Amino acid sequence: DTAVSQTPKYLVTQMGNDKSIKCEQNLGHDTMYWYKQDSKKFLKIMFSYNNKELIINETVPNRFSPKSPDKAHLNLHINSLELGDSAVYFCASSQDHGGSYNSPLHFGNGTRLTVT
Amino acid sequence: GESVGLHLPTLSVQEGDNSIINCAYSNSASDYFIWYKQESGKGPQFIIDIRSNMDKRQGQRVTVLLNKTVKHLSLQIAATQPGDSAVYFCAESREGSARQLTFGSGTQLTVLP
Repeated sequence: DTAVSQTPKYLVTQMGNDKSIKCEQNLGHDTMYWYKQDSKKFLKIMFSYNNKELIINETVPNRFSPKSPDKAHLNLHINSLELGDSAVYFCASSQDHGGSYNSPLHFGNGTRLTVT
Repeated sequence: GESVGLHLPTLSVQEGDNSIINCAYSNSASDYFIWYKQESGKGPQFIIDIRSNMDKRQGQRVTVLLNKTVKHLSLQIAATQPGDSAVYFCAESREGSARQLTFGSGTQLTVLP
């Protein structure tokens, strides 16, 4: 009965490869996100989707492309992986915008991406 | 630039003692603040929040204090337990910008036996 689930949990790949991370939420939330957490634990938003529509698109390389087939899913596709992409990627969801009162973010358990 | 930062990157406390984790923010327009707890290998979990029209809010064993004058908030954990060991993040948001949540850099809390 995991609320926000993302797969895979670990992803090890070589530079130049293309990979995807999948995320699903069963909370009925309208908004989903991708966050990147670096080695110093800093969390930075990458994308936000509300009802399948892109709301926030922070300054990330266009090698990163989110796709939301429906409001319960938000996948992250990464092209031409680079060493600097190594990080933990978190999917999250919220009923309204995550910075809204009574609309806390619910996070998945992360995908640790290692690019060699 | 705008930021939400923490005073201490690590904090060690004895089991049973109270813990205080501090956070500073720089934007006076910030009007909503949240504390998250991240255990090893897991995603952040919501602990408690506070709106800017309040100075204090209490939950179960946790209290958040907000001082808007000096742009500072703190998380107090009473009778700290081993299960409280985690990284704690403060986050803030404000009107506009799709109410985007901005996270601070985190404090690692270690509870000593």
